[in-house]
Amino acid sequence: GESVGLHLPTLSVQEGDNSIINCAYSNSASDYFIWYKQESGKGPQFIIDIRSNMDKRQGQRVTVLLNKTVKHLSLQIAATQPGDSAVYFCAENSGGSNYKLTFGKGTLLTVNP
Amino acid sequence: GAVVSQHPSRVICKSGTSVKIECRSLDFQATTMFWYRQFPKQSLMLMATSNEGSKATYEQGVEKDKFLINHASLTLSTLTVTSAHPEDSSFYICSALDFWADSGGAETQYFGPGTRLLVL
Repeated sequence: GESVGLHLPTLSVQEGDNSIINCAYSNSASDYFIWYKQESGKGPQFIIDIRSNMDKRQGQRVTVLLNKTVKHLSLQIAATQPGDSAVYFCAENSGGSNYKLTFGKGTLLTVNP
Repeated sequence: GAVVSQHPSRVICKSGTSVKIECRSLDFQATTMFWYRQFPKQSLMLMATSNEGSKATYEQGVEKDKFLINHASLTLSTLTVTSAHPEDSSFYICSALDFWADSGGAETQYFGPGTRLLVL
């Protein structure tokens, strides 16, 4: 079936560098996307979201880019800090009224001091 | 706002016993909550959608008689793992929809901290 996947399972960066986490989705009907951060042993934490009528959205130190042509989503983290180390998941909502989300496999981000 | 809690955070039980996990929306009402399970180094897998005042909707392959869900109030959903076996050991996470959250859209799910279940 259709699913959300990730290009890179792990990403290691130096503190202060910018990080880019990628996600590929295959459900063309998806109209809402969310990035979550999950620290070890904890539940996912909302980071930022974007709707399909947008191609970019910025938050505090984070930017989400959406390319519907190639069904690609990315999360950019500026000036990455050790506290950013976690697993990052993208999730998509296919637009149904049940509000269900489909999660990607996740990318482990490690920030080296 | 949009805080979700779970209780207990960790539980150990013997094989064959039942375990109840609670999910609460602390500062908002949630007509819809979701239950997920997550194995180590894997993604979240949706088990069921919990609807206040009605029966839960289970995902394909999830046994509804084994994973009992009750959403009796607008702030509480419970998941009961009946006749637990070692293969049920996992991290169980709930989420809730907050239609009036300051961040995110109506489709944004806010997650609890998870419950780690170990069945011996």
